[in-house]
Amino acid sequence: AQSVTQPDIHITVSEGASLELRCNYSYGATPYLFWYVQSPGQGLQLLLKYFSGDTLVQGIKGFEAEFKRSQSSFNLRKPSVHWSDAAEYFCAVGAWGSSNTCKLIFGQGTTLQVKP
Amino acid sequence: EAGVTQSPTHLIKTRGQQATLRCSPISGHTSVYWYQQALGLGLQFLLWYDEGEERNRGNFPPRFSGRQFPNYSSELNVNALELEDSALYLCATGTGGTGELFFGEGSRLTVL
Repeated sequence: AQSVTQPDIHITVSEGASLELRCNYSYGATPYLFWYVQSPGQGLQLLLKYFSGDTLVQGIKGFEAEFKRSQSSFNLRKPSVHWSDAAEYFCAVGAWGSSNTCKLIFGQGTTLQVKP
Repeated sequence: EAGVTQSPTHLIKTRGQQATLRCSPISGHTSVYWYQQALGLGLQFLLWYDEGEERNRGNFPPRFSGRQFPNYSSELNVNALELEDSALYLCATGTGGTGELFFGEGSRLTVL
């Protein structure tokens, strides 16, 4: 069965420091992978996605993620964190079903706290 | 272009009552997904509608149901409300082809 694991429930970094959020997935075929961000009380916003091709994907707000098939990982990175990055981050895998349609399976999320 | 809109923003009900939540998709999106985000439980997949039909449902009891209308908007109904149904209910829409979803801001249901 398809699944997504985000090992870190909560991470605290200092403003200006680098960030890496971990994501591991379980999926039998080539996955479609996503990172979403959720600010308090808000819906989810897509940060970046991987479908195929270059394994290093650039997203919005200075984020990037690297797909590593051998490690079944899709870790999210940012070189310098801003206080406004404090939010909850969700990794997701697209799972194909019938009728050639796809649904998202989400990890449990990682809450990022940014210290001044 | 308008994004995914959900209503109501907040809803307070008591145990045993019914709740109805609504979602309007982005123009051109035919798939509507419903997720439940309860405190500490992440996003749990509830229901998926495409072209007016239920395509898949998550591991939720039958008192969670819904439908999709000809204009692709959708309703989520929760009958016989229980305290643990208190959560943020997120609607997401897409074209079904790539899995990329666009989310609304959610409806927060509180059951007292």
